Parts: sequence; structure tokens; C-alpha cells
Amino acid sequence: GQQVMQIPQYQHVQEGEDFTTYCNSSTTLSNIQWYKQRPGGHPVFLIQLVKSGEVKKQKRLTFQFGEAKKNSSLHITATQTTDVGTYFCAGVRNRDDKIIFGKGTRLHILP
Amino acid sequence: DAGVIQSPRHEVTEMGQEVTLRCKPISGHNSLFWYRQTMMRGLELLIYFNNNVPIDDSGMPEDRFSAKMPNASFSTLKIQPSEPRDSAVYFCASSTGTGDIRSNQPQHFGDGTRLSIL
Repeated sequence: GQQVMQIPQYQHVQEGEDFTTYCNSSTTLSNIQWYKQRPGGHPVFLIQLVKSGEVKKQKRLTFQFGEAKKNSSLHITATQTTDVGTYFCAGVRNRDDKIIFGKGTRLHILP
Repeated sequence: DAGVIQSPRHEVTEMGQEVTLRCKPISGHNSLFWYRQTMMRGLELLIYFNNNVPIDDSGMPEDRFSAKMPNASFSTLKIQPSEPRDSAVYFCASSTGTGDIRSNQPQHFGDGTRLSIL
């Protein structure tokens, strides 16, 4: 079954507010990737994290990989309407080299 | 540059029929992935190939599903016979890669095939 949990499942924020989604694995991951999928679209790669404790930024987006390489987060500062979509994490489990996607966090922006 | 190309975009068929989904990866990419997406189960990896060889097919639901990659520029996912519970969006993705999934590179997804089995 699914062993990468993403929370929250849904998030409504006012435009301009911050947003964070969390990805939690029960086992250690060798790396983690984040994808964004617009409604009716396909997943689009955002970033990959490999090192323990790694933090990467892309403009208003900040990605973090936990020290134990089991958790990751994506934080968006001052959301805009273009941020609408579902954000997925995808990790490779160390114990069996399986790629596992989280179920995603669907972000809605209220104008 | 052409991205990953999937066909058909939509498929509606009756249960029991054979369904074939097609994918053309990005030129130069040597890893190809097939995914299924549903509201209930999210995005599930079905199978992936590296250099046309199936590396991991443990996600294939059952024997009704089969996938082939006869050459570097084409892959098919076949369902025979199809069932209503197979209804989903099927994505194909490609990436560069060595076959060692721990060094997996960013995946580029196609637009998907929306499959409805009546």
C-alpha cells in the first residue's frame, strides 16, 4: 500500500497567503522529487532533493528534505492564482528501490 | 522540442474489449515509465523500462495488463480483457537514466490517455 503520506489532502488559501505541503515516508528515501499537476494536465517536474537536510529554493517555492531522509516539504510564499494545482512528492525507497508517489495536495486559491 | 506523445487522448470502450495505449518518449531518453492515476489510488507506477528492457513490473495489476517496448521510440500498454475498474488516466513518462533508479532523473510526462471502460 501507499507508504508516502502527503498532508494535507486539500488546502484552500487566500491569494497572498503562504502554503505548505508535507510528505512523510515510513522508510528512508534515496531521493525525493516534487511535481505539480494543473487541473486536467499532467505532472510537471519541479525539483529533486538528494542530500539529507537539503534545502532548495525556486523563487517563491522552498523545498526541504529532512535530516533522516524520510520527510520533505514544499512551502510557497505569497501564493498566486497561478499556483493552483496538485503538488506531488515522489520518492525512491532505499529498501526496495521502488518509486512511490504521494497522493498529492490539491491547492485552491481564493481571490 | 517534442515532448512525450501519447495516443489516444481519450478512449471509451466496452468491458471485455482489448485496449492498447501508445507512447513515444522524448528522443534520447532511455527510461520509460507507465503510470495509472485515479482519485482513489492517486498516481501508481505500473512498469518502467531502461534501454527498452523492463526493469520493474511489480506495479502491473494483473495478467490482463502487459507492456512492451520494441524500440527506443515506442512503447505500448495493453489491457486484455478490459474491465470497468481499469478506468483511469494512464500517463507515460520518460527520462534519461542509467537503470539504477536511485539516480533517477526528472521525468517528463505525456498528456495522458483518459480511459473509460463501460
